[in-house]
Order: sequence, then C-alpha cells, then structure tokens
Amino acid sequence: GAVVSQHPSRVICKSGTSVKIECRSLDFQATTMFWYRQFPKQSLMLMATSNEGSKATYEQGVEKDKFLINHASLTLSTLTVTSAHPEDSSFYICSALGKNNSPLHFGNGTRLTVT
Amino acid sequence: QKEVEQNSGPLSVPEGAIASLNCTYSDRGSQSFFWYRQYSGKSPELIMSIYSNGDQEDGRFTAQLNKASQYVSLLIRDSQPSDSATYLCAVIGVSGTYKYIFGTGTRLKVLA
Repeated sequence: GAVVSQHPSRVICKSGTSVKIECRSLDFQATTMFWYRQFPKQSLMLMATSNEGSKATYEQGVEKDKFLINHASLTLSTLTVTSAHPEDSSFYICSALGKNNSPLHFGNGTRLTVT
Repeated sequence: QKEVEQNSGPLSVPEGAIASLNCTYSDRGSQSFFWYRQYSGKSPELIMSIYSNGDQEDGRFTAQLNKASQYVSLLIRDSQPSDSATYLCAVIGVSGTYKYIFGTGTRLKVLA
C-alpha cells in the first residue's frame, strides 16, 4: 500500500527557533500534499495544500510567512515552522495524494513542543 | 450547514455488538468517500473507500453509501475494545476547489 513517511516524529525546540518537518511518499508520486495541525481533542485542521513545483495554498488564518512549505519534488514536501512560539505546540500531520479521487495517505505525524 | 457532519459522540457499544457510525455531506456532486480511524495521539489511517451507492464490505467493516440522501455510514461488526477510536468521515468536494473535507469525527468506545 501507499506509504507516507514523516520525520521527525517528535521534536522539542526553544521559543524563537525554527523547525523543519519532512514528508515523503515512499512508493508513489504525490501530486499534492496536505499539511494539517491538530490540537488535543480537536479535529484535523487543514493548514495548506502544496503541489509539486508551485507555491502552496494556505487556508484562511494560517500565516504563510510563519509556516513555510516547500514541495520540491513529487515525493517530498517540507513544512518549516519559523520563529516558533509555545502556542505553535501541536501535532502536525502531512498527507499525500497520488491520483485524484484516491484516498489520502497520512504520515505518522510530528508532535512539536515549543518551550 | 457544515460540509461534512458527524455526531461527535462518544458512541458506546458493548463488546461484540455492531457499532454504526453515520456521516452526512452537503455537496451533492461528491463522488468519493472515505472512512479513517484515528487513535488518540496518532495520525488517521484509512479503513474504507466507497465510490458507488450500496454496501462495501471488508472484514468486520461495511461502508454504506446513499447519494440520494447524501449520507455514508460505517458498520463495525463484532466490535472489539481495540476498535475504540475516533472515526473520521472524508468526502471529496467538487464544488469550488477540489479538496478533501473531513468531518469532526465520532468517538467510539467499545466496552469490554
């Protein structure tokens, strides 16, 4: 089946630093990747949609200068949380889409804690 | 009206019973529907996909789709405590931009 690898699974950083999260589709080419954030006991919140070779589309209320997304190839997308603050602490999950109408496949998520 | 609606639960069922999870959607043109399971602290995992009206079975899971009534459901037979999780319904919306729309999820508790 389709496998999406997300790294790191857990990261703790100091306030003001930047953190990069990688999302890779291991056995298929992902035309589109999605980045979600989920706070405890809340539902998935879509942050942005990225297509290979083009700028990401951010959802309303998500700061594009704070959450930098790079979709450099058909198998890799990265999310960089810049100048992280404690309120950015959350569970970040990527997902990848191969063909249209096929299911989304999720990475295992990254738990970010900003101290 | 939300685009994809689910009862947040919790839905409690005894072990061995059938758990029935429901989802309604607003975009009549939607063609693809998915059920995901999410354990606490983990990312969602795909359980079922369904694209046409009727039932689709996979082991203990049955997905049911009724496009005329705009609902999709998931039945879990012989429920086990390990099935306790949040179940997310996802629909591909076709109005406006093409995107996956998730419901807020139904929390299922299977009581031993």
